[in-house]
Amino acid sequence: AQSVAQPEDQVNVAEGNPLTVKCTYSVSGNPYLFWYVQYPNRGLQFLLKYITGDNLVKGSYGFEAEFNKSQTSFHLKKPSALVSDSALYFCAAYSGYSTLTFGKGTMLLVSP
Amino acid sequence: DAGVIQSPRHEVTEMGQEVTLRCKPISGHNSLFWYRQTMMRGLELLIYFNNNVPIDDSGMPEDRFSAKMPNASFSTLKIQPSEPRDSAVYFCANQYSQGGAEAFFGQGTRLTVV
Repeated sequence: AQSVAQPEDQVNVAEGNPLTVKCTYSVSGNPYLFWYVQYPNRGLQFLLKYITGDNLVKGSYGFEAEFNKSQTSFHLKKPSALVSDSALYFCAAYSGYSTLTFGKGTMLLVSP
Repeated sequence: DAGVIQSPRHEVTEMGQEVTLRCKPISGHNSLFWYRQTMMRGLELLIYFNNNVPIDDSGMPEDRFSAKMPNASFSTLKIQPSEPRDSAVYFCANQYSQGGAEAFFGQGTRLTVV
């Protein structure tokens, strides 16, 4: 069975510092990988995705993520965090053999 | 395109009443998902349709829940009878199911059963 793991319930970082939100996956076949962000009282918004090609993908709001096949990871990163980045972040995955599966989410708190 | 449209945005109902949540997906996106989000359980997949056909309803909590997709333009999630523990935010998401396309989410329906 496929799965997506986000090992941290919460990540705390100071504004201006780099941030990383971790994600590992288990899917059959070549994975399609996604990051979404959810602000309070809103739906999930797509940030970025990996389909194929360059392992480092760039997305909205200065976020990027690195696909690591050997570690089956797709960590979300940003070089310099903003207070406005504080939100709930979801990693998701699927393949040609499976349907979309989400992780449980990681709350990112950026302090001023 | 206006994206995935859900209605109502908020619903407050009394225990035992029937509740119907509605979703208008994006034209041409052939996979549709219903999710429930709570603080305790996070984001749970309830049911997944592909080309209007229910593929996986294993996440539907019990027989009180039912979902339909009569055509590519409309889906409903019905709870009958509703219970206080059904209180949650319900999301509809829509995806073109080929080639690594992302899913798009509606704004959600916040359901409160009192």
